Amino acid sequence: GEDVEQSLFLSVREGDSSVINCTYTDSSSTYLYWYKQEPGAGLQLLTYIFSNMDMKQDQRLTVLLNKKDKHLSLRIADTQTGDSAIYFCAGGTAGNTGKLIFGQGTTLQVKP
Amino acid sequence: NAGVTQTPKFQVLKTGQSMTLQCAQDMNHEYMSWYRQDPGMGLRLIHYSVGAGITDQGEVPNGYNVSRSTTEDFPLRLLSAAPSQTSVYFCASSYGGLTGGYTFGSGTRLTVV
Repeated sequence: GEDVEQSLFLSVREGDSSVINCTYTDSSSTYLYWYKQEPGAGLQLLTYIFSNMDMKQDQRLTVLLNKKDKHLSLRIADTQTGDSAIYFCAGGTAGNTGKLIFGQGTTLQVKP
Repeated sequence: NAGVTQTPKFQVLKTGQSMTLQCAQDMNHEYMSWYRQDPGMGLRLIHYSVGAGITDQGEVPNGYNVSRSTTEDFPLRLLSAAPSQTSVYFCASSYGGLTGGYTFGSGTRLTVV
């Protein structure tokens, strides 16, 4: 089945760019998502990309998809202390009727 | 529009007890899922449903039962609680499955002693 891997921790300075990486195993993954979780809260959908796209930009967020390497990244420009959270990559295949598989999550620490 | 509502927010159980975690959504979403979140392991899919009357197992279904008698509700039952089931449980729903993205509830923190 699908397996999604992320690095566990990233620390950046306020104002820098953050890049969070994710790899997935199932080449038929059609939908790839980024979720944000703040302490004690549920998951909030940040952005998503479909497998027929290479890049998607949404304000400070840029998602890059390399289908050949099965690699997904989330770039946050001008990172703020409010961006400190856990970021989850998740993937699913259209034929799996809605099953979404998550990575372990990357804790982003933003230092002032 | 309340979104996805989970109750209770916190629960302590003794080993061997049973309980039901409630999940309700008011968005007329067909797809609903249950996940558990453990430190360093991300979210793991327990059970999911693609509509009323239809459920299926996810990655870690053992020890849990679900049913979907209505579109709105998707309860998760722990049959005989074990300390290994200590976790944070999240319910999520979606209108179009993967095409719609999932909306998450705020979670239930369960401790089994």
